[in-house]
Amino acid sequence: SQQGEEDPQALSIQEGENATMNCSYKTSINNLQWYRQNSGRGLVHLILIRSNEREKHSGRLRVTLDTSKKSSSLLITASRAADTASYFCATVLTGGGNKLTFGTGTQLKVEL
Amino acid sequence: DGGITQSPKYLFRKEGQNVTLSCEQNLNHDAMYWYRQDPGQGLRLIYYSQIVNDFQKGDIAEGYSVSREKKESFPLTVTSAQKNPTAFYLCASSIDHATASKFFGPGTRLTVL
Repeated sequence: SQQGEEDPQALSIQEGENATMNCSYKTSINNLQWYRQNSGRGLVHLILIRSNEREKHSGRLRVTLDTSKKSSSLLITASRAADTASYFCATVLTGGGNKLTFGTGTQLKVEL
Repeated sequence: DGGITQSPKYLFRKEGQNVTLSCEQNLNHDAMYWYRQDPGQGLRLIYYSQIVNDFQKGDIAEGYSVSREKKESFPLTVTSAQKNPTAFYLCASSIDHATASKFFGPGTRLTVL
């Protein structure tokens, strides 16, 4: 089974609203990364949070990590139609070398 | 421009044929990866290479083969032994190991007819 599971599977919001996506994982991690994928395209790295960090910000993105609950969240504030994409969390396991294990993704649709 | 490229964008092949997908990067990255993505799913690791002339199997290596003769290139061959080859294939690279983020190519969509 997947190491990461995103929730919800799909999310539809209005432009200007905030979007929150959650990711849960099963085993101890070195770091957790969030990626974005536009339909039929490659993935784009958004943000990386290490296991000893609790929160990181990048522009309109805010990521939190709770290692006790083995979960992370990605918040996109003031969403825009251009944010419409699939968002994936991916984990690097403790002692897992450089293998990145992806979750199933959340499909975000931002409507005008 | 620095980046990672994959070709072709779309590929069709007949059942029973081998096919090779190209992946090239000019980012001077040591590590390269191949992932497979099926509709509505996350990515699954096929093979990865941490350095030239070395590669390791990922989670779903059966029916695939790779080579890493040059730092810039990491071609993937989908063999006739792969039972369900139709998928979206993504190549990625990174500077080094665990803490590095990955740069992805645009992908190749393979359809077996």
